[in-house]
Amino acid sequence: DVKVTQSSRYLVKRTGEKVFLECVQDMDHENMFWYRQDPGLGLRLIYFSYDVKMKEKGDIPEGYSVSREKKERFSLILESASTNQTSMYLCASSFPGTGTYEQYFGPGTRLTVT
Amino acid sequence: RKEVEQDPGPFNVPEGATVAFNCTYSNSASQSFFWYRQDCRKEPKLLMSVYSSGNEDGRFTAQLNRASQYISLLIRDSKLSDSATYLCVVIEQTGANNLFFGTGTRLTVIP
Repeated sequence: DVKVTQSSRYLVKRTGEKVFLECVQDMDHENMFWYRQDPGLGLRLIYFSYDVKMKEKGDIPEGYSVSREKKERFSLILESASTNQTSMYLCASSFPGTGTYEQYFGPGTRLTVT
Repeated sequence: RKEVEQDPGPFNVPEGATVAFNCTYSNSASQSFFWYRQDCRKEPKLLMSVYSSGNEDGRFTAQLNRASQYISLLIRDSKLSDSATYLCVVIEQTGANNLFFGTGTRLTVIP
């Protein structure tokens, strides 16, 4: 069974804090993704990575950065948290290429920035 | 312009009913299509892929209409456990940044 884990289910941070969200997958997947999910907007891609030390911007990268030092781990960083970054953050992983392209999601981190 | 559009619902249907959702996409060159299911406060999980010839998995049938640019999901004999949000996913071409999620259609099956 594929397992994608995220470091926290719920997180409350203050405006201006630096926030780290960690994601680990155990399936040796090359691709990893960070999304945020907001009511009425669906899932929006923040960043993704095809391989170690590789990253690509998604649709809404502003205010975020990522790190992929090891294949199994993909970190999302909010350099200076703001209230408009309050959201559900979902990490996902998949095998490369097209085909089934199934994405396996972690349980999500609900981040509140006050 | 949204790449993928879904009726958000909610769809409230009685147990045993048949319900169908559509999802339209804007790029006629889109290559791959999927339905995901997301339970309340849980992560999305793949329900089924959508093939050009249509595919069926038990009570669930997915179809693709390329001419009209939509995919559909039909659920027969609805169960209470089918209550969830159903997300359609469209991949326009190779590459992770060409994968688009719909906002989801919420289904509630009523006893």
